[in-house]
Amino acid sequence: AQSVTQLDSQVPVFEEAPVELRCNYSSSVSVYLFWYVQYPNQGLQLLLKYLSGSTLVKGINGFEAEFNKSQTSFHLRKPSVHISDTAEYFCAVIVIMNTGFQKLVFGTGTRLLVSP
Amino acid sequence: KAGVTQTPRYLIKTRGQQVTLSCSPISGHRSVSWYQQTPGQGLQFLFEYFSETQRNKGNFPGRFSGRQFSNSRSEMNVSTLELGDSALYLCASSLDSQNYGYTFGSGTRLTVV
Repeated sequence: AQSVTQLDSQVPVFEEAPVELRCNYSSSVSVYLFWYVQYPNQGLQLLLKYLSGSTLVKGINGFEAEFNKSQTSFHLRKPSVHISDTAEYFCAVIVIMNTGFQKLVFGTGTRLLVSP
Repeated sequence: KAGVTQTPRYLIKTRGQQVTLSCSPISGHRSVSWYQQTPGQGLQFLFEYFSETQRNKGNFPGRFSGRQFSNSRSEMNVSTLELGDSALYLCASSLDSQNYGYTFGSGTRLTVV
């Protein structure tokens, strides 16, 4: 089973509209969750992370995400997007390997396309 | 504070050749992880090094190897290159992978022809 699932491969939206990018994680993995953004020809930039505490996590660039344990979800939201938010967004979760150490496991990504 | 530096940014190699990629972590970071990103397979974990020791390894063939030096800089090597090895290779550094603070470099784009 996939550790983390991003159901939407692409999300088109108009500038200044709200957006939600969906992420569901497997209940068998940890609840250390991350959202990363990747601009063309760039590496990954951390938007926000949930390790514990408040279920509403605020990140950079106006993004926020809500951890929902009962629905095993960690959806990313922004109330008003800009053209510059056009990028690939990855949800990730910490998986503990049989060595006892951890690795990041990524979803397949969601391409956010913001149009004027 | 300098970020994670990966060199080279772009590389073109021929099938059968070998290649070495370099990653310099953030100063003070001792853990370096490597990931392969392809359109078909997405982001896949290759391996992680901490204090010159490989702690974790992903599900890749033995052609993929790495090492870490005493200054925490890491290299990964791919021998007998195949067309399918064409990918963006990303490294991430952290103080210790157990503290969840990963910072990624810009990657090395490897094209195998």
